[in-house]
Amino acid sequence: DAGITQSPRHKVTETGTPVTLRCHQTENHRYMYWYRQDPGHGLRLIHYSYGVKDTDKGEVSDGYSVSRSKTEDFLLTLESATSSQTSVYFCAISESGEPLGEQYFGPGTRLTVT
Amino acid sequence: SQQGEEDPQALSIQEGENATMNCSYKTSINNLQWYRQNSGRGLVHLILIRSNEREKHSGRLRVTLDTSKKSSSLLITASRAADTASYFCATDSGSRLTFGEGTQLTVNP
Repeated sequence: DAGITQSPRHKVTETGTPVTLRCHQTENHRYMYWYRQDPGHGLRLIHYSYGVKDTDKGEVSDGYSVSRSKTEDFLLTLESATSSQTSVYFCAISESGEPLGEQYFGPGTRLTVT
Repeated sequence: SQQGEEDPQALSIQEGENATMNCSYKTSINNLQWYRQNSGRGLVHLILIRSNEREKHSGRLRVTLDTSKKSSSLLITASRAADTASYFCATDSGSRLTFGEGTQLTVNP
């Protein structure tokens, strides 16, 4: 797993509440990514980071924000959770150092918004 | 819209048979990657093939790339029950990797 952990692994929350998911890596990789996976849509990029305090939007960034204050941690925040954000969220890192090279994924967080 | 699209969506074979999955894409790429995902787990990187390569092997995996047809195939030889998983192709389009929706492979013992 290239030393990637995600927390929490499962979460149920109510519509309108803020939620923060954490991705932690132990190997100082520069590039980190947040994806969501939904049936019929495959894996879609939410936000990515290419270094501390350097982040950018992905394909489906509306309703999400990210922060990276330390190399090892990449946080994904749902400002005000909606039912459409019920999904499985994966964090990934680029181990090769190339932003579009091989990516290694965490175990995922299953989020349910009721 | 999906850059990479896998075909078939689902494939069921017997142990020992070969499994072939295909991926088609729309725009030019620098590389194409294949990933495996077991149920309830994260994706695992299998193989990366660059646009100037035509074929690549890794153990029982063989990947081909035809840039003129904008397609790739993943062949798993002598399949095992443990190969049961979803398989995804990913292409580098612009500034991100774009994943297809995957092929669900079931290998029956």
